[in-house]
Amino acid sequence: GNSVTQMEGPVTLSEEAFLTINCTYTATGYPSLFWYVQYPGEGLQLLLKATKADDKGSNKGFEATYRKETTSFHLEKGSVQVSDSAVYFCALPDTGRRALTFGSGTRLQVQP
Amino acid sequence: NAGVTQTPKFQVLKTGQSMTLQCAQDMNHEYMSWYRQDPGMGLRLIHYSVGAGITDQGEVPNGYNVSRSTTEDFPLRLLSAAPSQTSVYFCASTAGGLTDTQYFGPGTRLTVL
Repeated sequence: GNSVTQMEGPVTLSEEAFLTINCTYTATGYPSLFWYVQYPGEGLQLLLKATKADDKGSNKGFEATYRKETTSFHLEKGSVQVSDSAVYFCALPDTGRRALTFGSGTRLQVQP
Repeated sequence: NAGVTQTPKFQVLKTGQSMTLQCAQDMNHEYMSWYRQDPGMGLRLIHYSVGAGITDQGEVPNGYNVSRSTTEDFPLRLLSAAPSQTSVYFCASTAGGLTDTQYFGPGTRLTVL
């Protein structure tokens, strides 16, 4: 079945540092890929998505490119802020169930 | 519109007690799901529904029951709580396309003593 592997956290960065969170997946075909973010004490919300190979999703300064050759969807941001401190989840659809298969999540802590 | 709402926000149970976690959505979504979130394990699917009257098991269904009598509501029942069910529970809904966004509720933090 589908699976998602994310880099272990926590990731601790200083403000304005460059961020990369790695995500690789195993799936049949070329599914849509998602990044969700969970701010402290809240539910998950969609950060960005890509619906086909070579697509780039972007939102709030974050970007991720769907690379089918390496089955990856790494999340990047050029300059992180304290307000980006959250847990980030990579996910792909569980086709039959109309739900999501998630990676284990990566906690990001940005220090001023 | 409120999106996906969940109650209660926090709950403490004793082993063996039962309870129902409530979930409702006002977006007329056909598909709804329940997940549990445990440290280091991401979110795991408990049960899901593809429409009113239709439910099925996810990855970790044991000890939980669901029903879907209306499009809006999707309650999750713990039949006899166990400490292993201590977790944060999230309800989600989606319009159903494979590129569609899942909308999540704010979660219920459950502790079973």
